[in-house]
Amino acid sequence: ETGVTQTPRHLVMGMTNKKSLKCEQHLGHNAMYWYKQSAKKPLELMFVYSLEERVENNSVPSRFSPECPNSSHLFLHLHTLQPEDSALYLCASSQDLGQDNQPQHFGDGTRLSIL
Amino acid sequence: AQSVAQPEDQVNVAEGNPLTVKCTYSVSGNPYLFWYVQYPNRGLQFLLKYITGDNLVKGSYGFEAEFNKSQTSFHLKKPSALVSDSALYFCAVRDINFGNEKLTFGTGTRLTIIP
Repeated sequence: ETGVTQTPRHLVMGMTNKKSLKCEQHLGHNAMYWYKQSAKKPLELMFVYSLEERVENNSVPSRFSPECPNSSHLFLHLHTLQPEDSALYLCASSQDLGQDNQPQHFGDGTRLSIL
Repeated sequence: AQSVAQPEDQVNVAEGNPLTVKCTYSVSGNPYLFWYVQYPNRGLQFLLKYITGDNLVKGSYGFEAEFNKSQTSFHLKKPSALVSDSALYFCAVRDINFGNEKLTFGTGTRLTIIP
């Protein structure tokens, strides 16, 4: 148990659907992250939130829309996705962005398949 | 810019033998270095980190890693491999001199321990 819970674990959706991924952390951390993991590629950092403020957006297409209503919850809203968006989406948290030497704690991910 | 290279996609080791998973890095300043492990259908799990001090760092499950500044390497090692060590291993780096929040991951090395 890592303290970071992601739901759903698996999601299959059509290209015209709208869905949301949810992440919840029980660690009292102030920073949260979304990553995309595709086979044979490095983890891609998508978004970073610190104290509910977005601090980084790595040129992610607008069909991905993050939301951080409080420091414990992070959402990734999905709309009109493409087949190449099929991947494992990982959420992570860390104590604070300023504490660079602290590890990030990851959830088990949502396996997303776009039909 | 910071980067990480894991030169081996796949490493096979017989049970009971020592194992090494290689990682080299590139940063402009001084690095924070991390190893993570990913078991099937799970997120990344923190193993160990190098921040400063002793070049040999000990972590979870009997793993250790040696920081070598002259060779810019941070290889993961274990004296005696177990079948349960079979997993995907990721090296990651953060450049502490640039105040960025980004943790850069390698492409991963799949470790298979052969009974």
